[in-house]
Amino acid sequence: QVQLQESGPGLVKPSETLSLTCTVSGGSITNYHWSWIRQPAGKGLEWIGRMFTSGSTKYNPSLKSRVTMSLDTSKNQFSLQLNSVTAADTAVYYCARDPYWFDPWGQGTLVTVSS
Amino acid sequence: EIVLTQSPATLCLSPGERATLSCRASQSVSSFLAWYQQKPGQAPRLLIYDASNRATGIPARFSGSGSGTEFTLTISSLEPEDFAVYYCQQRSDWVATFGQGTKLEIK
Repeated sequence: QVQLQESGPGLVKPSETLSLTCTVSGGSITNYHWSWIRQPAGKGLEWIGRMFTSGSTKYNPSLKSRVTMSLDTSKNQFSLQLNSVTAADTAVYYCARDPYWFDPWGQGTLVTVSS
Repeated sequence: EIVLTQSPATLCLSPGERATLSCRASQSVSSFLAWYQQKPGQAPRLLIYDASNRATGIPARFSGSGSGTEFTLTISSLEPEDFAVYYCQQRSDWVATFGQGTKLEIK
């Protein structure tokens, strides 16, 4: 069965770039779409964007100007970059398989934006 | 952007009772709606997709209904492990949005 694992720095300074990687095991990354979702502490879920199998992307309009997603098929990984971060970007970041629904999810990784 | 509004914000019930959670969309999403369960410290888990289809491994006490703008998640008889936060999510316009969540608490 497909499993996902997020990785990346847990602390990012304001105005810098947040970079995360999601490693997929148990299946090929080329067979599905993939998404990033985040959740600030004690708050709800916010979809960040989607990587299609074609390599194209679709981003949340509210984050579009700061988000870049990419695919590395050789490593079975996909990645997220969010630039010009502020404290408002502090959240648990999840990656998820996206056959139009999010299933399964990674365990999530906490990213704190602070100097 | 399609806005999803969940009600109630908090629902207090006892084990064995029936739970009914609602999700209303600001415009029609056809049947493109999912429900998730999230427990503290865990990632959300898909329960229902396409409004009424149970995901793999989800118990039959969970059911979903609705179409257009009005949707319902029903838990027929609450088990202790069902007390959690529940989110609805739509995918109608390629931009996914979530409701704000309903917290199901033990009475």
